[in-house]
Amino acid sequence: AQKVTQAQTEISVVEKEDVTLDCVYETRDTTYYLFWYKQPPSGELVFLIRRNSFDEQNEISGRYSWNFQKSTSSFNFTITASQVVDSAVYFCALRGETSGSRLTFGEGTQLTVNP
Amino acid sequence: DAMVIQNPRYQVTQFGKPVTLSCSQTLNHNVMYWYQQKSSQAPKLLFHYYDKDFNNEADTPDNFQSRRPNTSFCFLDIRSPGLGDAAMYLCATSRTTGDPTYNEQFFGPGTRLTVL
Repeated sequence: AQKVTQAQTEISVVEKEDVTLDCVYETRDTTYYLFWYKQPPSGELVFLIRRNSFDEQNEISGRYSWNFQKSTSSFNFTITASQVVDSAVYFCALRGETSGSRLTFGEGTQLTVNP
Repeated sequence: DAMVIQNPRYQVTQFGKPVTLSCSQTLNHNVMYWYQQKSSQAPKLLFHYYDKDFNNEADTPDNFQSRRPNTSFCFLDIRSPGLGDAAMYLCATSRTTGDPTYNEQFFGPGTRLTVL
C-alpha cells in the first residue's frame, strides 16, 4: 500500500516570507516517482515537479525548491519570498512502479499568502 | 498550445437526471483519467483508459460510466446523479513510453457539477 501524508492542512504567511510544505510518503516499491501539483482557486491542477526515487538531487526552479530525502521518506517543497499569487492548495503525490498509472495524493496543504 | 480541455466548466443537473461531462486533449497521450474531487479533499480516481482498455477503480459506483471513442476524447456519464455526486470532476492525461520518468499527469481545468 502507498500513502502520502501532508500534515499541514493550512498555512498562512505574509508576502515575502519563505514557506516550506511538508510531504512524507510510504511505499514498498523500490522505484517510485514523487510529484507536486498546485491547485489555484480556478481548480486546475498544475504540475510543478517530478522526482524519481533514484535521483536524490535537490532542485531549484526560480523561487521554488524541493528537498528529497529517502532516509526520512520526505519530499518537501519550499517557496522563497512568497507572493500572493502563490496562494493555492498544494498536493504531493506518489506513483510506485507497481501501481501502474495510479497516483496516490496527499490531502493537500492550503497556502494563503497575505499582502 | 497542447492542452486538456473540459466542457462545460460548470454543469447544473437535477437529481436523477443523467449528465455527461466531456474531456478532450491535444497532447496525443494514450492514458486518460477521470477524478472526482470534493471540497477540501484530494482528487479521487474513478477510472482510467490505457489506450482503449478501461480500468475501473474498485470503489467507483456503478452510477459512473465512461466512454473513450478515440484517443482525443473521453466522456464521463453519471446515470442518476445524487446530491452526493456534486463535486469537481477532473480529467487528466499521461503518456506511457519506454521511459517511465515522463509519466506525469496533466490535468484539465475541471467541471464543477451541481446537483439540485
